[in-house]
This record gives sequence, structure tokens and C-alpha cells, in this order.
Amino acid sequence: GQQLNQSPQSMFIQEGEDVSMNCTSSSIFNTWLWYKQDPGEGPVLLIALYKAGELTSNGRLTAQFGTTRKDSFLNISASIPSDVGIYFCAGENNAGNMLTFGGGTRLMVKP
Amino acid sequence: NAGVTQTPKFQVLKTGQSMTLQCAQDMNHNSMYWYRQDPGMGLRLIYYSASEGTTDKGEVPNGYNVSRLNKREFSLRLESAAPSQTSVYFCASRAYRNGGYTFGSGTRLTVV
Repeated sequence: GQQLNQSPQSMFIQEGEDVSMNCTSSSIFNTWLWYKQDPGEGPVLLIALYKAGELTSNGRLTAQFGTTRKDSFLNISASIPSDVGIYFCAGENNAGNMLTFGGGTRLMVKP
Repeated sequence: NAGVTQTPKFQVLKTGQSMTLQCAQDMNHNSMYWYRQDPGMGLRLIYYSASEGTTDKGEVPNGYNVSRLNKREFSLRLESAAPSQTSVYFCASRAYRNGGYTFGSGTRLTVV
């Protein structure tokens, strides 16, 4: 099946620092989604990207859909303790019926 | 609105036992999905239902069956549980293609 490589696997940063994580794929996706998962909960959608080159912001979060349609990144500016969690990228196939997830980036923020 | 509701939240099964995981959404969404999440990994699609009356296999369907009971409910059945099916199971739904997926809070299943 399709493979999504997400990096880094984990990050331990100081409160106030900026964070960047990315996903790369061996295949083209039509849609890129970024989710955050808190312990014991399901993933919650942060940002959805639908067009190659698209750059979208949601508060302190910014994500981009790579021009090759095989990659995406998520930036978090001025991190705060509640940013702690696992962040997942996900790509949707052309048929629009299957979401492939990356392995996740575990973010830890030191106050 | 409750969104996507999954029951039970926790379950322990013995190898060979059967059980059904329940999922219901109250958002009038057309499509529903079942994923499993193993430690340190992303979610993998088991089965999905693009609309009421249809179901299709995902990436890891072996050992599972599903039923789209009506527009609201989509159940996942394990006929003969195996330790390899120990995982956290998430149900999700969405209204239309290109719409965002809404996930339930998960069912943590342990097979001993």
C-alpha cells in the first residue's frame, strides 16, 4: 500500500519555540490533512489542504500542500503546553475513499 | 451533538471469542469508517462504507466484518478474536468527499 513517512518521530521543545514537522509520500495525494491526537481520544482535524501549493493557517498553525503533491508540512508557532500531543498527517487517494496516515510526531513542550 | 459515539470504550476478550464494536454518528454523514491504531503507528483503514447500503475493504480487513445498519450506525465484528487484533479501534464519519473526517474517542481492545 501507500507509504507516508512522517518526521520527526518526536520532539521535545521549550515553550515559545516554533515547531516544524513534515510528511513525504511515494505516491500522489489529492488531499492532505493534519490531525492532533490527545491521550485516550480520537484524532481531531487541524487543517485540510486540497490544492497543490496551498498554504493554510489556523491560528498558530500553518500547513502547506507540496507542489509535487507528495509532501506536506505543518508549522506551529510560539508553542504552548497545550500543544502537547501526537500530530498525524494523512493523505487521501484519488478515489477519495481511503485515508493513509503517517506514523505521527509526538510533541512535548517544556514550560 | 455527540458527534461519533463508540461503545464499548474498553474490552478484554479471550482468543477465539467474538464481539461487535458499535459506532453511531448523529451528524447525518454519508460515509463511515473503521480504523485500527497500533502502538507508535498511524491509523490503518479496516473497512469503510461510502454510503448507506455499501461496504468495502480497506487496507487491513482480514479477521473483520462490518455492517452498515442504517445511515447512523456502522458496526465492526470480530468473529474469532486473535491476539494480533489487540489494538485501539476508531470509527470515523464524514458528510461528503473532501469533507473532514470526524473520529470517535476509540475502543481499546485487548485479546489474551
